[in-house]
Amino acid sequence: GAGVSQSPRYKVTKRGQDVALRCDPISGHVSLYWYRQALGQGPEFLTYFNYEAQQDKSGLPNDRFSAERPEGSISTLTIQRTEQRDSAMYRCASSLNSGGLYEQYFGPGTRLTVT
Amino acid sequence: AQSVTQLDSHVSVSEGTPVLLRCNYSSSYSPSLFWYVQHPNKGLQLLLKYTSAATLVKGINGFEAEFKKSETSFHLTKPSAHMSDAAEYFCVARTGGFKTIFGAGTRLFVKA
Repeated sequence: GAGVSQSPRYKVTKRGQDVALRCDPISGHVSLYWYRQALGQGPEFLTYFNYEAQQDKSGLPNDRFSAERPEGSISTLTIQRTEQRDSAMYRCASSLNSGGLYEQYFGPGTRLTVT
Repeated sequence: AQSVTQLDSHVSVSEGTPVLLRCNYSSSYSPSLFWYVQHPNKGLQLLLKYTSAATLVKGINGFEAEFKKSETSFHLTKPSAHMSDAAEYFCVARTGGFKTIFGAGTRLFVKA
């Protein structure tokens, strides 16, 4: 596609359920990033990949959060045993490569609400 | 540790008057700096970026920003605001290649 896509756009789940959020980056982009954006705040870095390798996961808040990108393209962010505090906008971005010169292109985000 | 501080959570201007959105950063290294804009119900769009070339950077829609190392600032300006500029603006720093730090955002209101 022309841009980064994310699905679902909206997800409402009950506390304790697992959720999987999908990101489809721009074709050919090496780097893929996940962010979480709480209401009224800027996006917060979670993790990033170069190709299929997870380069840094220091931003993942705890071990309920995990991410994968098995074939170096589509990525899935999984949250296990969701809690209300996980409610946020989850944003994905991709870039041609990982250096600071490369622009990150953002998807529309997935709004997660945990009830 | 690196951080990005946007000094105003809200800025209100009248249409046709100048816009100034302030951003300060702290970093042990020379960062790459960016400004992104987010319109309601839309994704983040890059306005401009600084990557150690010219200190005055021109972006889209008439916006520009000046990197001032001595002040560790990267303020965003526009000579004349349009109604369509009303949005949320994020100042962003990247160091070490991948780690991206966003400011908390500044919401710009434009009055007719």
